[in-house]
Amino acid sequence: DVKVTQSSRYLVKRTGEKVFLECVQDMDHENMFWYRQDPGLGLRLIYFSYDVKMKEKGDIPEGYSVSREKKERFSLILESASTNQTSMYLCASSLNTPKGGAWKKLFFGSGTQLSVL
Amino acid sequence: AQSVSQHNHHVILSEAASLELGCNYSYGGTVNLFWYVQYPGQHLQLLLKYFSGDPLVKGIKGFEAEFIKSKFSFNLRKPSVQWSDTAEYFCAVNPNQAGTALIFGKGTTLSVSS
Repeated sequence: DVKVTQSSRYLVKRTGEKVFLECVQDMDHENMFWYRQDPGLGLRLIYFSYDVKMKEKGDIPEGYSVSREKKERFSLILESASTNQTSMYLCASSLNTPKGGAWKKLFFGSGTQLSVL
Repeated sequence: AQSVSQHNHHVILSEAASLELGCNYSYGGTVNLFWYVQYPGQHLQLLLKYFSGDPLVKGIKGFEAEFIKSKFSFNLRKPSVQWSDTAEYFCAVNPNQAGTALIFGKGTTLSVSS
C-alpha cells in the first residue's frame, strides 16, 4: 500500500516562527500536493509539484513556500507563522498517467493539525 | 478559475433513506471528476472517479455518480444509506491536462441516524 507520511500529527507554534511541515511518500509518485482543510471551506490547494525541484502555486499560496529536493519528499514552509494559518494541513501524492494530464487517485497523509498562538 | 460547488453543507438522513449529493463545476474543457470521503478521524479516501466512457460510475460501498456534461454536474447517489456512511464527502475536479491539480469543493457532511 502507498504510504504518505507527515512528520507531525499535532504542532503548536508561536506567531512569527518559521514552520516546516514535512511529507514523505514511498511509492515513487511524481506528483505531490499540499492542501489545507478548514471547516466549511473544504480542501484548498496551497502548492503542488509534478517533478523534483518543480513547484506550482495553488489557490492560496500566500504566506507559504515549498521545497522538493528529492522525489519522495515535499516540504511546506510557513516563513512567519500567523494565527490565520491555524489549520489542518494535508499532504497527498499521485502518479502521472503515461499520457500525462489525467491524475490518478490521490493518496493522502493523516494530516498535521497546526495551531499558531 | 475553475471551481467546484457542493450544494449541501450538511445532510441529515435516517438509515435506508436514499442519498443524492450535488456537485457542479465550472470548466469548459475535458475534466476528470472524483468523489472523496473522509470518515471521522480517518484519511481522505477515494469513493469513485470518472475519466471517460460510461457517465454512470460505480464506486465502493454502493455509491455511484453520474456525469452530466451539459449540466457540468457529477452528483453522488446511494439508494439506501447506512449509519456507517456518516462522513464528510468532497467532490473534486481536475482538468485533463498536465500541470494541473485537483480542486475540491467545500464538502458535505452527511449524518445518518440509526
